[in-house]
Amino acid sequence: AQSVTQLDSHVSVSEGTPVLLRCNYSSSYSPSLFWYVQHPNKGLQLLLKYTSAATLVKGINGFEAEFKKSETSFHLTKPSAHMSDAAEYFCASYTGRRALTFGSGTRLQVQP
Amino acid sequence: DTEVTQTPKHLVMGMTNKKSLKCEQHMGHRAMYWYKQKAKKPPELMFVYSYEKLSINESVPSRFSPECPNSSLLNLHLHALQPEDSALYLCASSQDLWDRVHMEGNSPLHFGNGTRLTVT
Repeated sequence: AQSVTQLDSHVSVSEGTPVLLRCNYSSSYSPSLFWYVQHPNKGLQLLLKYTSAATLVKGINGFEAEFKKSETSFHLTKPSAHMSDAAEYFCASYTGRRALTFGSGTRLQVQP
Repeated sequence: DTEVTQTPKHLVMGMTNKKSLKCEQHMGHRAMYWYKQKAKKPPELMFVYSYEKLSINESVPSRFSPECPNSSLLNLHLHALQPEDSALYLCASSQDLWDRVHMEGNSPLHFGNGTRLTVT
């Protein structure tokens, strides 16, 4: 079975500075990994998904994630934070139970 | 705008009430899901339907009763709820179940905006 661990419950950055949200996965086979964003009182929006076609995955709103098998990581990055990026971010993977399981979430705060 | 529509957006109900949450998608997806999300927590899986049949029930109390009348609709019937059931209830859909698609990354879930349920 797979699971994901988000290493930071809260990250605060200044507007215009880089964003790094960390996610590690544990898996005994090829993982299915995703990043979702949730704004207050909204559902979850898919940012990007990992496929074996590329280890660097580009998503919406300028976000990227790099799959590193040697580190079992799938960290989310963005070169320059915008105020509208403030939200809750979830890393997710499929478990052997056929349904998506989420990490505990990272709250991104963007300071002006 | 989300392609998964949930109604109502907000619901307040007493512990003796019966109510239903509704979810609709027109993307041709064959898997549909109910998740429950408490404040400052990740979504937790409740039910999974595949081709209108219940595939997973995560040991959810019987006061929650799911129904999938057709491939586009998913309902969650509520009866005799407790105050601790207050939460955001999220519906989602995907092309198919992950292990049927056989390709990693090929079954992302598409979420609705949820129903904010308050049980008084």
